[in-house]
Amino acid sequence: EAGVTQFPSHSVIEKGQTVTLRCDPISGHDNLYWYRRVMGKEIKFLLHFVKESKQDESGMPNNRFLAERTGGTYSTLKVQPAELEDSGVYFCASSPGDRGRAGELFFGEGSRLTVL
Amino acid sequence: DQQVKQNSPSLSVQEGRISILNCDYTNSMFDYFLWYKKYPAEGPTFLISISSIKDKNEDGRFTVFLNKSAKHLSLHIVPSQPGDSAVYFCAASDFGNEKLTFGTGTRLTIIP
Repeated sequence: EAGVTQFPSHSVIEKGQTVTLRCDPISGHDNLYWYRRVMGKEIKFLLHFVKESKQDESGMPNNRFLAERTGGTYSTLKVQPAELEDSGVYFCASSPGDRGRAGELFFGEGSRLTVL
Repeated sequence: DQQVKQNSPSLSVQEGRISILNCDYTNSMFDYFLWYKKYPAEGPTFLISISSIKDKNEDGRFTVFLNKSAKHLSLHIVPSQPGDSAVYFCAASDFGNEKLTFGTGTRLTIIP
């Protein structure tokens, strides 16, 4: 069974440019999460999809970040325009079913974003 | 404000000895706790969890202890092996909330 896959693994862009990160969750997983780790700090929650619906986007830093999940399958996270403080590793995770709590999540390898 | 704290950024332990990683939390609503392990250039992988109705959960060489009154949990690895060298993240959640709150991680190095 394929795990969570993320693309690109590393992206280097100039401040003001746009970047789109993609996540393909484990097949059949309704829950999809985006997290971010900045500068070796904690892994911070960004948002949570249940199928194609945004369940919780309380962690999104500002309106420069836009997440979508087309048809409840893969998800994209767009940063436009990118700022220096957006640099970090963006992790996608998925989990099956609707359990009413966050438990064991399956993480992808992450997309490292460097904004120059 | 950080609700889950791992105050030791790094820890070195001799192979074969016990590794003890600590985690403190401040949110009394948390009732489920997890440890994740992360190797370089990989995503975190689930290691072990504990519900607040328990004070101990064991899985092979890994044991997690929970002290609710102190809002403290610890992960014990015994015996430690070189493959255990990784960054360990403590995480917590509360029922009805679908997100995990993570700590900053502790880098464990097992010395052969």
